[in-house]
Amino acid sequence: DQQVKQNSPSLSVQEGRISILNCDYTNSMFDYFLWYKKYPAEGPTFLISISSIKDKNEDGRFTVFLNKSAKHLSLHIVPSQPGDSAVYFCAASKGSNYKLTFGKGTLLTVNP
Amino acid sequence: NAGVMQNPRHLVRRRGQEARLRCSPMKGHSHVYWYRQLPEEGLKFMVYLQKENIIDESGMPKERFSAEFPKEGPSILRIQQVVRGDSAAYFCASSPLDEQFFGPGTRLTVL
Repeated sequence: DQQVKQNSPSLSVQEGRISILNCDYTNSMFDYFLWYKKYPAEGPTFLISISSIKDKNEDGRFTVFLNKSAKHLSLHIVPSQPGDSAVYFCAASKGSNYKLTFGKGTLLTVNP
Repeated sequence: NAGVMQNPRHLVRRRGQEARLRCSPMKGHSHVYWYRQLPEEGLKFMVYLQKENIIDESGMPKERFSAEFPKEGPSILRIQQVVRGDSAAYFCASSPLDEQFFGPGTRLTVL
C-alpha cells in the first residue's frame, strides 16, 4: 500500500523553463510534507517543506503547493537549471519529527 | 559542522554472513533514523532511535535485523545471516528536532 505516490517516473524540461513535480498521498493523518533531491551515490538532500496549516511555501527558486482537499502537493522550480537534474522525492509524516514516508521519486532532467 | 557520516560506503557480504552498518549523526543531533532503498523504489523507514532508546521499529523486519544508538559512539544497524534480498542502499538520517539530514548511504551487496 503506497501512501505517497509520484506517478511520473521522469520529467524533462528546458533550461530556464518551469519544472513541476507532482505528488499525491492517501493518508489523511499526514500533516508535514517535504521534498528531497538526490544525486546518484549520495544521500537525499532536503529542499523545502510545508506544514498542513499552509498551502504554499517558497524558498528562492523552489515553491511547494499543498492542496489538502485533493491530497496533492507539487514542487515548482523556476527557472530550471541543468544542476537541478536529479531524482526528486516527495515525503510525508505525521508531525515534523517523525518517520518519513517517501514516494518512488521523479527523475528530473533539465536540458541546456 | 560535518554532515551525517556513514561507513562503510560499500559493503559486500556472502549469504549467511553478518553486516554491520555505522552512522555518526551530526553534532548535537540526538535523533537517528534508518531507511532502506531497494532498486527502483523510494526510501522505506526502518527504525527511529534516540540515545539508548528505540522509539519506533515498525519498519524493521522481525528477524535478523537490529539497531542500536548507544550513549557513546555511532548508531549501528546490524543484519545477521544476510540474504540476497537484503541487497540495497541503507541510509541514516539525523535530526535535532524536525528536519532530517541524510548521510551518503551504505550500499550493501549480498553475493
